[in-house]
Order: sequence, then C-alpha cells, then structure tokens
Amino acid sequence: GDSVTQMEGPVTLSEEAFLTINCTYTATGYPSLFWYVQYPGEGLQLLLKATKADDKGSNKGFEATYRKETTSFHLEKGSVQVSDSAVYFCALSDPWYGGSQGNLIFGKGTKLSVKP
Amino acid sequence: DAGVIQSPRHEVTEMGQEVTLRCKPISGHDYLFWYRQTMMRGLELLIYFNNNVPIDDSGMPEDRFSAKMPNASFSTLKIQPSEPRDSAVYFCASSSILAGVSEQYFGPGTRLTVT
Repeated sequence: GDSVTQMEGPVTLSEEAFLTINCTYTATGYPSLFWYVQYPGEGLQLLLKATKADDKGSNKGFEATYRKETTSFHLEKGSVQVSDSAVYFCALSDPWYGGSQGNLIFGKGTKLSVKP
Repeated sequence: DAGVIQSPRHEVTEMGQEVTLRCKPISGHDYLFWYRQTMMRGLELLIYFNNNVPIDDSGMPEDRFSAKMPNASFSTLKIQPSEPRDSAVYFCASSSILAGVSEQYFGPGTRLTVT
C-alpha cells in the first residue's frame, strides 16, 4: 500500500545552517505531495505542496521538488532560524488508493531543533 | 475564517468516565478527519467523513470510540469508557476537494489526560 518514509530525527542545527529532511514515498497512483509543520503546542500547518512530477513547492524559504524518478520530496532550506524549530511531516494524497480522495498518508515526522 | 475550532483544549478525566471531544470544521469544507497523536505511535488517522458520512473508520481503536457528524458544521468524538492509554492529543482537520488538491487544515487539538 501507499506509504511515506522520512529520515529519523531529531535533527539539531546551528542558526543559518543548511537544512535537508529526506522524504520518500510509495504510491499506486499519481499522488500529490505535502510538507506540514507542527510548532510546539499547536496543530499541523501546511507548509508547501506539489501536485505533479517536477513541481517545486516553496514557502517561507523552504523548498521541495517532486521527483517521480526517485519517488522523493526532500525538504530544504538554505539558512534556518531558531523560529524554524518544529516537527516536520511529509505526506501524500493518492486519490487512486482505495478509491478515496482527500485522505492523507503521513510520515512519522522529523523534529528539528535550531540553536542560536 | 476562524479556522477549525476544537473544544475543549484540555480535558482531564478519570478512568471509566465518558469523554466527548468537539469539532467545528471550516465552513464549506466537505471532508472532516479525526487524528490521535502520541509520542509512541505518532499521528494516527482514526476516522474521516465526506459530506457528513463516515468513509473510513478502520483507525478507530475499539468499540469504546465512536464519532458522529450530524451536520456539516459539527462533529464529535466520544470515548466511553475512557482508559489511561487513551491519553493523547486529538486533532480534527477539514478539507475541501473542490480546491482540486486535498489540503487539510488542522485545529489546535484537544489534550486528553485520563488518570
């Protein structure tokens, strides 16, 4: 079945360092891909998305490119800030999976801590 | 829009008591999801509705859990009787397939503690 695999955390970086969080997926159809972020004590928020191969999603300095050939959607940011400390979830939506639209399949999440 | 609204934000109850969690989705959204998040198991989908109809409840852990959506603007998740292992943060989320892509909007969550 469909699944999402993220790199295990926690990830600890110094401010202004480069960030990469790896995400790969398995899907039966043509999924849309998402990154969600969860700040401490809050619900998940959509960070960025990509709906087809080679699309690049971007928001708040974060980027991720939908790579169909490697079934990946890695999250990157050139210079992280302390305020980026959060848990990041990769997710996919595959309308062909079980015939249900709207359902998201989440990875386990990667906790990022950025030190000043 | 006010976003997804959940109540209560925190709930502390004793084992064996009934607990009811409430959710108001974003107006116009036709999907509603209930999730549970714990340190051990991460984020788990419990059940989701489309146009007020339950579509997939395979994630509901056992018969003690039930969920209803009597209309497009309200849903409840009930646990009866509650047990300490039900302690978790419960999230409600809504989305609209009319947007073309299923982006889910999450509420702030209800932190449940069962003693």
